[in-house]
Amino acid sequence: NAGVTQTPKFRVLKTGQSMTLLCAQDMNHEYMYWYRQDPGMGLRLIHYSVGEGTTAKGEVPDGYNVSRLKKQNFLLGLESAAPSQTSVYFCASSYGLSSYEQYFGPGTRLTVT
Amino acid sequence: GQQVMQIPQYQHVQEGEDFTTYCNSSTTLSNIQWYKQRPGGHPVFLIQLVKSGEVKKQKRLTFQFGEAKKNSSLHITATQTTDVGTYFCAGVGFQKLVFGTGTRLLVSP
Repeated sequence: NAGVTQTPKFRVLKTGQSMTLLCAQDMNHEYMYWYRQDPGMGLRLIHYSVGEGTTAKGEVPDGYNVSRLKKQNFLLGLESAAPSQTSVYFCASSYGLSSYEQYFGPGTRLTVT
Repeated sequence: GQQVMQIPQYQHVQEGEDFTTYCNSSTTLSNIQWYKQRPGGHPVFLIQLVKSGEVKKQKRLTFQFGEAKKNSSLHITATQTTDVGTYFCAGVGFQKLVFGTGTRLLVSP
């Protein structure tokens, strides 16, 4: 039982490049989330999904796209990376939307130069 | 929109001293969660509070939810070096979970 896994762990991109971050969970959770964490700003929700085939915008969705083609996977895409997207990205999953604990992955540290 | 603020942003204590972090919401919350993130790690769920005025304890940690359900606190008695990390509250309002800005705790032996 791996819980929530994220790939890659680290990545360096040049401005304008694209990439996809993969999140996988083996707990059969319906809900999945992508957050970014920046110093002094806590965790900010980028996008989330309430089930396979559904996605919704969070607090800071601009510059990101997501897809949930399979229940266990949630992908975060950066179409044209910008230095402002340098951050640590966390994926999380939960049974319910707001009253259930969230299980976090180990994070992806992304640097955009 | 809903905002959740935490104070202090940072605290450095000597081992054995007590520590408290406070969480304040701009709106009434249906419940509040607390998470701990060790340095270099990911957030891990600690507890959830649901009722007005609720107090819960986990060993040396005491969690409290305000009567008006707009604030919460986490108190650690006699800190240990294993308590080092960032503590986040996360408030639930309007079906959304909003994380606070976090309090970073450093404990010196």
